Amino acid sequence: EDQVTQSPEALRLQEGESSSLNCSYTVSGLRGLFWYRQDPGKGPEFLFTLYSAGEEKEKERLKATLTKKESFLHITAPKPEDSATYLCALSTGFQKLVFGTGTRLLVSP
Amino acid sequence: DSGVTQTPKHLITATGQRVTLRCSPRSGDLSVYWYQQSLDQGLQFLIQYYNGEERAKGNILERFSAQQFPDLHSELNLSSLELGDSALYFCASSVGKGNTEAFFGQGTRLTVV
Repeated sequence: EDQVTQSPEALRLQEGESSSLNCSYTVSGLRGLFWYRQDPGKGPEFLFTLYSAGEEKEKERLKATLTKKESFLHITAPKPEDSATYLCALSTGFQKLVFGTGTRLLVSP
Repeated sequence: DSGVTQTPKHLITATGQRVTLRCSPRSGDLSVYWYQQSLDQGLQFLIQYYNGEERAKGNILERFSAQQFPDLHSELNLSSLELGDSALYFCASSVGKGNTEAFFGQGTRLTVV
């Protein structure tokens, strides 16, 4: 069964304190790995898509990487406005996204 | 703004009732997906339509149904509502049939009392 596990469940950082979020997955045929950001009560906001091991993508303070078994979302020098829940999702051969339960990130000033 | 529009934003209804949630996809997107998000379960895929046809089905209850119309907007119908159906319901759209980035609406918060 296709499965996504995100860790940690929650992470508290000081402004400027870099860290990484982990997304481990098991899938029969990976068609893409997606990262989303979700603010409370809002819809997920698309961040990145990664398709193959070794691929990396960057956007502002965020960088996503992919291996054959996991993906990392690196946050460099975070700011309070980066506080949100970060969701990882797999796209499989069955046309749907399988989501992890997310990492709640809180960045304090 | 993702370009995906969902209405209504909030809905409060009684057990046993039926409601309809509406979604307008981004201009040019042919796929519409419905997801349910509850506090204890995270985002659960319900169903996908592509250009008017059902393409994939997830954990959608028999009391729930959906359709995509010729103008590509979609409706999710929830009937015989139970307290446990209270959740955020999200619609997402994408250009292709799958495996491409999907853009989410702001959701409909359904409360069943």
